[in-house]
Formats: sequence, structure tokens, C-alpha cells
Amino acid sequence: GENVEQHPSTLSVQEGDSAVIKCTYSDSASNYFPWYKQELGKGPQLIIDIRSNVGEKKDQRIAVTLNKTAKHFSLHITETQPEDSAVYFCASNRGSTLGRLYFGRGTQLTVWP
Amino acid sequence: EAGVVQSPRYKIIEKKQPVAFWCNPISGHNTLYWYRQNLGQGPELLIRYENEEAVDDSQLPKDRFSAERLKGVDSTLKIQPAELGDSAVYLCASSPRLAGDGTDTQYFGPGTRLTVL
Repeated sequence: GENVEQHPSTLSVQEGDSAVIKCTYSDSASNYFPWYKQELGKGPQLIIDIRSNVGEKKDQRIAVTLNKTAKHFSLHITETQPEDSAVYFCASNRGSTLGRLYFGRGTQLTVWP
Repeated sequence: EAGVVQSPRYKIIEKKQPVAFWCNPISGHNTLYWYRQNLGQGPELLIRYENEEAVDDSQLPKDRFSAERLKGVDSTLKIQPAELGDSAVYLCASSPRLAGDGTDTQYFGPGTRLTVL
């Protein structure tokens, strides 16, 4: 199946600093890259997504960049807040219309006040 | 608008016992997914439904797992008999069929945490 590598597995930052999480994928047919935030005891919640016809997308403090040539995409969170603390998952499809998503192993982000 | 509803939230059973999970997707969402999330990992797809039809069940261990979505709305995932390795969180997700090209947003429920003793 599609391998999605996600780094780092844990990330600790001070409140107000930026956080960056990176993912790489292997299948060049992939055309959809969502990011999910999962808080303890809850299901994953979509925070931002990007399609392959776009190189960057921003929503307030959150941005995602996509480099199709290098097959990697990154999540950027600026001005981090303690409530940003959670596990973040990247995912990609294989360009399939079936809607199957392949997830990374997750990044535990901790924002210290 | 209500989100994806799952029940129960927690289930503890002994190995070899049966267990069932229920999911009610967001109203109007044609597509329903069941994922399994092992501890410390991302979700992995088990089965995907388009209305009442299972269109992707290649990852469902069919010897012990079964699923149904009889009227194209809510769905049930069953394990019989459960094994120790089935301990995980079982997530249900749904999506509207807007683009229909595999890029429709998937909305997840809170999951059912299964512990097999």
C-alpha cells in the first residue's frame, strides 16, 4: 500500500513558537493530502487539506505546503497555543476515486505555556 | 448538525466472544468508512460503503469480521470471535459524494475503544 512517512513522531514547542510537521509519500498518482488533529479520546478532525493542483494553502494560523516533485507535504502552525496540543496525522490517497486514505503514524505535538 | 455517532464508546470483552459496533453517519452522507486505529498509529481502512454497497473491503479480515449497511444509512461492524490482537479503536467516518474523485472530506466519529482480554 501507499507508504506515508511522517516526522517527527513527537514535537515540543513553547507557546507562540511555530511547529512544522513533514510527510513524504511514494505514489506519484496521489492527489489529495488532508491533515487531521486527534485529541485524546476523540476521533480525528480535519484541520486543512490540499489537492495536487495547489502548492500552498493557508487557514489562519495553519498552512500546508505541497512539493509534488519531491513528494512531500508539510503542516505549519504559527503562534502555537496550548490548545494546539494533540496528535496530528497526515494522509494521502493514491489518486484513486475510491476515497481510501493512507495515514502517517502521527506526531504528538505538545505546546508548553 | 450532528456529527458521526458511534456506540458503544468503550467495550471490554474476553477473547473468543463476539462484539458489534454501530455507526450513524452525518445525514445525507452517502459514503461510510470503517477504520481500525491501533495504539500509536494512524487509522487503517477496513471497509468503505457507497450507500448500501461495500465497494472496498479488501482490508477486512473476512474470516472473523463482517459489516453491513442495509438501508444505506447506519452501519454495524461485527467481530466473531474476537482475538487479543483486535484490541484497538474502531472509527467510523462518512463523507458526502461531492467531487466523487476520492478527495471528498471524511468526517470521523469518536470511535469505539475495544479491549480484548
